[in-house]
Amino acid sequence: KQEVTQIPAALSVPEGENLVLNCSFTDSAIYNLQWFRQDPGKGLTSLLLIQSSQREQTSGRLNASLDKSSGRSTLYIAASQPGDSATYLCAVWNSGNTPLVFGKGTRLSVIA
Amino acid sequence: GAGVSQSPRYKVAKRGQDVALRCDPISGHVSLFWYQQALGQGPEFLTYFQNEAQLDKSGLPSDRFFAERPEGSVSTLKIQRTQQEDSAVYLCASSPTSAASGELFFGEGSRLTVL
Repeated sequence: KQEVTQIPAALSVPEGENLVLNCSFTDSAIYNLQWFRQDPGKGLTSLLLIQSSQREQTSGRLNASLDKSSGRSTLYIAASQPGDSATYLCAVWNSGNTPLVFGKGTRLSVIA
Repeated sequence: GAGVSQSPRYKVAKRGQDVALRCDPISGHVSLFWYQQALGQGPEFLTYFQNEAQLDKSGLPSDRFFAERPEGSVSTLKIQRTQQEDSAVYLCASSPTSAASGELFFGEGSRLTVL
């Protein structure tokens, strides 16, 4: 059974810092991996989708990498801003149409 | 509509009541998913539709939970005889393609509180 772990569970950084969020998964036979953002009391907003054949994806100040063989992904946020404060969730699709499996998320606070 | 729409946004039910949660996916999206998110946890899969066909319901926690998507568009998640442990946010997501390749787009969720 696929398990997704996110470390750290919570992170607090001063504005302007670059930071890395980690995601690991136990079954490397994934189809793709998706990073989401969730604001308190809100739904999930898709940030980046990485296909299993890809190594990374970039969107603005966000960069996500994927090392499928070692079962790891990182989300890099450059020049963090208070508006980046949210919970960041990592989720993987296993091959074979099994549904997205989520980690518990990393709760990020960026302090002005 | 522009995004996935869920209603009601908030629902308070007395233990034993039946509830129905509605999801309007993005127009034309083939796949529709229901997830349950407890406080401080990641979403947990409940069930998945491709058009009107329910292809996977392995995540439904008990036979009190039932989902349908009769015309391949709007979906309803029904919970019968609600229990306190059913309190959670129920998230709906849709995807334009079949499950294995699609990026998921989530609604804002329906927060259910069972007293």
